[in-house]
Amino acid sequence: GAVVSQHPSRVICKSGTSVKIECRSLDFQATTMFWYRQFPKQSLMLMATSNEGSKATYEQGVEKDKFLINHASLTLSTLTVTSAHPEDSSFYICSATPLAGGGYNEQFFGPGTRLTVL
Amino acid sequence: DQQVKQNSPSLSVQEGRISILNCDYTNSMFDYFLWYKKYPAEGPTFLISISSIKDKNEDGRFTVFLNKSAKHLSLHIVPSQPGDSAVYFCAAKRGNNAGNMLTFGGGTRLMVKP
Repeated sequence: GAVVSQHPSRVICKSGTSVKIECRSLDFQATTMFWYRQFPKQSLMLMATSNEGSKATYEQGVEKDKFLINHASLTLSTLTVTSAHPEDSSFYICSATPLAGGGYNEQFFGPGTRLTVL
Repeated sequence: DQQVKQNSPSLSVQEGRISILNCDYTNSMFDYFLWYKKYPAEGPTFLISISSIKDKNEDGRFTVFLNKSAKHLSLHIVPSQPGDSAVYFCAAKRGNNAGNMLTFGGGTRLMVKP
């Protein structure tokens, strides 16, 4: 149990286009989903915390108008990178936490999405 | 300000020996610590965790030790296997709630040689 999927796994796009990444909890309902970014050989940096039905909370330095997050249901959160530029190229990873009472106290991570902006 | 630090970017160990990965933290409000294993182009996989009320937690070949006074934790893997080769991240959070934010260290690349 506790599987998180991401789609797409890889995306290459031209500069100026927008890219949507989906994060789904497959076998549990997630109250909270997190979006991380990882640059090569660096740690995972939290971008934003997403709660179902409410606005996402962005970390300092993350542009909320550039990285749009929508947590439409308890099993789906989307991250849209708007007007992507080469410096947005990175590995984007989501994680999800089960509803309280599920017996879990860890975040479960998706497999990540490699974004390359040409 | 990096609140969770893994000072060794890499570690090489012979198969069958012990691997010791270290992690230091500065925020005394952290009271729950986790270790994740990550392969390239994949998401992190949870390995083991420890609450600040304990100083040791063991799960099979993996043991995590916590020294609260030193704000230091370590992950021991014994015996190490080639399949353990990956990047290991320690993470910390305030409170045992699954919805609490994780702060990650920079990672240590472990290479286990056959």
